[in-house]
Amino acid sequence: DQQVKQNSPSLSVQEGRISILNCDYTNSMFDYFLWYKKYPAEGPTFLISISSIKDKNEDGRFTVFLNKSAKHLSLHIVPSQPGDSAVYFCAASENQFYFGTGTSLTVIP
Amino acid sequence: DAGVTQSPTHLIKTRGQHVTLRCSPISGHKSVSWYQQVLGQGPQFIFQYYEKEERGRGNFPDRFSARQFPNYSSELNVNALLLGDSALYLCASSLSPQGLNEKLFFGSGTQLSVL
Repeated sequence: DQQVKQNSPSLSVQEGRISILNCDYTNSMFDYFLWYKKYPAEGPTFLISISSIKDKNEDGRFTVFLNKSAKHLSLHIVPSQPGDSAVYFCAASENQFYFGTGTSLTVIP
Repeated sequence: DAGVTQSPTHLIKTRGQHVTLRCSPISGHKSVSWYQQVLGQGPQFIFQYYEKEERGRGNFPDRFSARQFPNYSSELNVNALLLGDSALYLCASSLSPQGLNEKLFFGSGTQLSVL
């Protein structure tokens, strides 16, 4: 039973434009949400997180939005750069972390 | 500072064999978690250890076991390997146990192939 879902397996964006990656979850008890970035042959690298008491968190080009009523999480990358090309996983926590299946982002120069 | 280190990086085994994977956490981190990532899926939680005690276990059979040593390094053991155990095994460390709103730091993983 997949508690965290990323319904878009892939996304292509032009360099300089906005990338929006989406994530949906089913468990209303999740209280902490994170985004990880993964390059081939490397482990996931932490990108940004948000607590359930907030609805937005920003760190440079990366902003995470949380809509608790819709059980929806999104990551905005502005402006997108070719080095952002990677697989992005969202994760949610309730005593353990549950990961989505990932979205492969390609930023086209 | 060294990040999370895992060994070996790659491993090939045959069905029925046993495997031991090793992980050293970031210095000062007392919590180690193990995840299995099958191709095309996200990481799935296997175990968490904190201060040498098991703090959580995912939905994996008893063929999977783990332990944490006094220096906080950890081993994941898998007995009676099946073809379906082929995956990337990730180790992650953190200062505190999961569930305390703390991010995980991942190693590069061990790619296990079962033939």
